[in-house]
Amino acid sequence: ILNVEQSPQSLHVQEGDSTNFTCSFPSSNFYALHWYRWETAKSPEALFVMTLNGDEKKKGRISATLNTKEGYSYLYIKGSQPEDSATYLCAFQTGANNLFFGTGTRLTVIP
Amino acid sequence: DTGVSQNPRHKITKRGQNVTFRCDPISEHNRLYWYRQTLGQGPEFLTYFQNEAQLEKSRLLSDRFSAERPKGSFSTLEIQRTEQGDSAMYLCASSLAKAVEAFFGQGTRLTVV
Repeated sequence: ILNVEQSPQSLHVQEGDSTNFTCSFPSSNFYALHWYRWETAKSPEALFVMTLNGDEKKKGRISATLNTKEGYSYLYIKGSQPEDSATYLCAFQTGANNLFFGTGTRLTVIP
Repeated sequence: DTGVSQNPRHKITKRGQNVTFRCDPISEHNRLYWYRQTLGQGPEFLTYFQNEAQLEKSRLLSDRFSAERPKGSFSTLEIQRTEQGDSAMYLCASSLAKAVEAFFGQGTRLTVV
């Protein structure tokens, strides 16, 4: 079982604040790093899939970076909104097979 | 709706009973995955199929668990002689072979009483 760690475990921010979370993963046998957003009563939704060291991806106010040599990825949210409240999961993929998930960061944006 | 569909959404069962869940993946997706998520944890891999072949099974999948994907389309996950520790959210996901993005269903929440 591969160890994927996310921090912080939970986070409360005020509307309009920017925030970021960390995902740490093994630096060997890397294939891809996934970020998912999981809102209550919905399906986990893919945000980003990154495969190359130094990758930076952006979708609206959300962006992510990847460092495969040191085994970490950051997810940034700029100007948080209440609708950003969710659990953010990262998953490490080795080969082209299954995903090893972290425990997630639960974000609450306070209006 | 062309997403991944799981049924039922919720299941309450008595300890010792058998339960079966169904997953209908996105139609052109060859790969299908089952995950289990318990409170405070991320999803844990159970098993995956490429077409109808079950290619990998986690050690978490005890003898009481069995999964099938008979025609390479929908899949079923059966738990026999359920135990309270089986209470969890069971998630199904599908993806194209060799692609990196997986699409998840909404899950089946199992409660064993």
